[in-house]
Amino acid sequence: SQTIHQWPATLVQPVGSPLSLECTVEGTSNPNLYWYRQAAGRGLQLLFYSVGIGQISSEVPQNLSASRPQDRQFILSSKKLLLSDSGFYLCAWSVPGANVLTFGAGSRLTVL
Amino acid sequence: GENVEQHPSTLSVQEGDSAVIKCTYSDSASNYFPWYKQELGKGPQLIIDIRSNVGEKKDQRIAVTLNKTAKHFSLHITETQPEDSAVYFCAASTGTSGYSTLTFGKGTMLLVSP
Repeated sequence: SQTIHQWPATLVQPVGSPLSLECTVEGTSNPNLYWYRQAAGRGLQLLFYSVGIGQISSEVPQNLSASRPQDRQFILSSKKLLLSDSGFYLCAWSVPGANVLTFGAGSRLTVL
Repeated sequence: GENVEQHPSTLSVQEGDSAVIKCTYSDSASNYFPWYKQELGKGPQLIIDIRSNVGEKKDQRIAVTLNKTAKHFSLHITETQPEDSAVYFCAASTGTSGYSTLTFGKGTMLLVSP
């Protein structure tokens, strides 16, 4: 069966520091991968998606970037965090061409 | 693009009562409508979904109805239990791209009191 892992679960970082959140998927090949951000009262906002290694599409211009160095690995990064980057970040995957999303457990980022 | 509105934002019920959450969507081409449940501190989990060729789908205590003419769909939970307490998200998608194009509502916090 397929599983999705996301870490770290919780992160507290100072303004201006770098960020790296990692996500891996097991039990499937060539998944579509996604990063969402969840802010209180604002639902789920798609940040990036990837349909293959090295292929990244951005939905929202921001202080963040994403990379996919391996087929089942997706990384969310920032060179310098802003206060507004605080939130709950969710990684997700889907079968190519399908709409059904499976989410990871999430990473809570607090920028101070 | 698609726009999904979800109501209410919070819903409090007594254990054993029914709960109904409603969503409307804007794109008449949307044909896939999932519902996700998110417990505190966890990622959302798919609990039920419906496609545009079906008007109603049921899975034990939960059911989803779809009205394509009015462009709205609803989640019904019967005989609610305290463990149903969570945030519920609806979503809609046209499914015409090679990746998931789900647009989510802003969520409903359901509180079930014993």
